[in-house]
Amino acid sequence: QSALTQPASVSGSPGQSITISCTGTSSDVGYYKFVSWYQQYPGKAPKLMIYDVTKRPSGVSDRFSGSKSGNTASLTISGLQTEDEADYYCSSYTDATTTRYVFGTGTKVTVL
Amino acid sequence: QVQLVESGGGVIEPGRSLRLSCAASGFTFSRHGMHWVRQAPGKGLEWVAVIWYDGSNIEYRDSVKGRFTISRDNSKNTVYLQMNSLRAEDTATYFCARDPGGTWNLWDYWGQGTLVTVSS
Repeated sequence: QSALTQPASVSGSPGQSITISCTGTSSDVGYYKFVSWYQQYPGKAPKLMIYDVTKRPSGVSDRFSGSKSGNTASLTISGLQTEDEADYYCSSYTDATTTRYVFGTGTKVTVL
Repeated sequence: QVQLVESGGGVIEPGRSLRLSCAASGFTFSRHGMHWVRQAPGKGLEWVAVIWYDGSNIEYRDSVKGRFTISRDNSKNTVYLQMNSLRAEDTATYFCARDPGGTWNLWDYWGQGTLVTVSS
C-alpha cells in the first residue's frame, strides 16, 4: 500500500483560495467516504481539519472545505491567511492488506 | 480538557525493545479506541496500530506486525506500545491519538509525541 499522492507544495497570496489534491485508488479514496485532512505545524502534533470527506469538526474555520471525485480528494482553503502556512496531510481508510489507514505524502502550504 | 501525554521514547540500539506509554485525561478513556501514528524525521505520517475501546480488536500495519504490541489499561487511562526487535526504520516521533468513534479514519486529539531513535 503506497502513500496517497499529494503535491509537495502549494502556495498562494493572502485572501486567495488554494486547493490541495490527494490521489489514491479504488481501494481507498475512491471507494470509501472516510477521508480526513490534518494540519501540522513544525514540531507540533497534527490537527484534524476535515473528516468523512466534507465534514468540519467544531472549531475549525469554515474557510476549510473538503470534496472528493473518483480517486481524488481535495482540500480547499479559502481566504488564505498567514496562519494557514503549514503542512497538510490527507488520510483514507483502505482495504489494503498491509495497513488499515493510509496517509498522503504531505503538502507544504506557503502564504506568499 | 482532553490531554494525551506520551512517554518512553529515547535512543535505543537495533534489535532492542522499548515500551511507549500514552496517559489520557479529560475524557472517558474506556469509551474510545486509541491509535499510534508515527512520523520519521522530516517525513510524513504513518499509521501504526489501533486498539478498540475495550481491547477486543487490534490491528497493525504489516511492517510492525509480530514486533509491536499495542495494549491498554482502562483502569489507568493508558495505552501502550511495546516495540521489540527495533530497526533503524522505526526511528520516528510516535504520537498517540484518540478515535472519537462514530465513523472511521479520524483522530480528534493527539499527544505531543515521543521521539524514538534506533541507532547503534
